[in-house]
Amino acid sequence: DAGITQSPRHKVTETGTPVTLRCHQTENHRYMYWYRQDPGHGLRLIHYSYGVKDTDKGEVSDGYSVSRSKTEDFLLTLESATSSQTSVYFCAISESAYGYTFGSGTRLTVV
Amino acid sequence: SQELEQSPQSLIVQEGKNLTINCTSSKTLYGLYWYKQKYGEGLIFLMMLQKGGEEKSHEKITAKLDEKKQQSSLHITASQPSHAGIYLCGADPISGTYKYIFGTGTRLKVLA
Repeated sequence: DAGITQSPRHKVTETGTPVTLRCHQTENHRYMYWYRQDPGHGLRLIHYSYGVKDTDKGEVSDGYSVSRSKTEDFLLTLESATSSQTSVYFCAISESAYGYTFGSGTRLTVV
Repeated sequence: SQELEQSPQSLIVQEGKNLTINCTSSKTLYGLYWYKQKYGEGLIFLMMLQKGGEEKSHEKITAKLDEKKQQSSLHITASQPSHAGIYLCGADPISGTYKYIFGTGTRLKVLA
C-alpha cells in the first residue's frame, strides 16, 4: 500500500559505518514501529513511537536509535553497524487496536 | 516475557488439501492478528480476533480464538498455490500498548 514506504529497500554497508533507514507514512497514524525479522526469531520490536518526539525502546534496541520529528517520518539509525545487524527491517504504523500496516521492508547487509 | 508459539514451523501440502496453523500464548491475549508474508515482501493483514470464541472467515481462510483467548487457529480450506507464504500471528500482550509480539511464523508451501 502506498500509505507507508520504506527507504532504501536494499542496502549493503561496511562494519562500523552509521546507517539510517527511513519510514514515511501518509496515513497520519499516531503509532510507528521498527521491527527486525530474522530466521528463528520472527519479528522483534526495536523501537516505537507514540507521537512526535515520543519514542521508547523495544526488546532489541541496543545499537539502534530513532527519531520522529514529524508525524509522517520515523527514522532508524544504526550508530555503528555490526554484522549482527544484518537483517530485514520492517516499519509499521497503527492508529488503534486494529492492527498494523507494514512497509515492504529494508534488507540490510553489513559486511 | 510473553511469547507466541506457532506450529507447525513449516508445512507442505498438496493443492486442494485443508490445513491448520496454530498460535499459542501462555497468557491471555488482547487482540490476536493474523498476517501473511509472501517471500521477500512485507506483511499483509488477514484478520483480527478480539473476543473469546470469536471466529472470522475471509474467502477460504478461517481464524478462531479460543474462549480463554490463549490459542488461535488459522484454517485454510482447499488450499491453492496462491496461499503459499509465511503466516504469522501477532498479539498485543498488554491491553492498549499496541506493542505487538509475533510468533516465529509458519512457512506454507502448496504443491500444484
